[in-house]
Amino acid sequence: GQQVMQIPQYQHVQEGEDFTTYCNSSTTLSNIQWYKQRPGGHPVFLIQLVKSGEVKKQKRLTFQFGEAKKNSSLHITATQTTDVGTYFCAVPGGYQKVTFGTGTKLQVIP
Amino acid sequence: DTGVSQNPRHKITKRGQNVTFRCDPISEHNRLYWYRQTLGQGPEFLTYFQNEAQLEKSRLLSDRFSAERPKGSFSTLEIQRTEQGDSAMYLCASSPPGPEENSPLHFGNGTRLTVT
Repeated sequence: GQQVMQIPQYQHVQEGEDFTTYCNSSTTLSNIQWYKQRPGGHPVFLIQLVKSGEVKKQKRLTFQFGEAKKNSSLHITATQTTDVGTYFCAVPGGYQKVTFGTGTKLQVIP
Repeated sequence: DTGVSQNPRHKITKRGQNVTFRCDPISEHNRLYWYRQTLGQGPEFLTYFQNEAQLEKSRLLSDRFSAERPKGSFSTLEIQRTEQGDSAMYLCASSPPGPEENSPLHFGNGTRLTVT
């Protein structure tokens, strides 16, 4: 089945520093989604990327889909304590199935 | 939008017992998914319904697991003869109808199962 790797697995940053997580697939993707899961919470949809080379921004968050549509990144500028959580990429895994990546757990030190 | 509702929030059971969880999706969503998540891992796909039809089932789902969505609205997930390895958070998600290959998933708060 479809597998995606995310790196890093964990990241600790000082508040105000930037953060980036990467998602890599061995196959070309039709689209990629990003979710955030706060500690003790459930995954919450952030964004979906569809086009090659697409870049989307949500305030301090910048999402990018690679030109070959095999990788994606999420970059957070000037992290805040509210950014704490685990960020997952998710890709189509078959008929209507969505396969989640391994996640990157972000800790922000105030 | 009342969101996806799951019951119960927590379930503690003894090994060998059967358990059943319920999921009520967002009312206009025809797609419903069950996922399982263990600590430090991403959600693992278990099964998918479109309306009342179960269209895909993971190989992770042993024959002790069964899911239903009889009227295309709420869904139940039953685990028979529970084992300690079944301890996990069981997440339900729904998504609206549409032409997109993958619509965003709306997750419920999950049911945390502990098998002792």
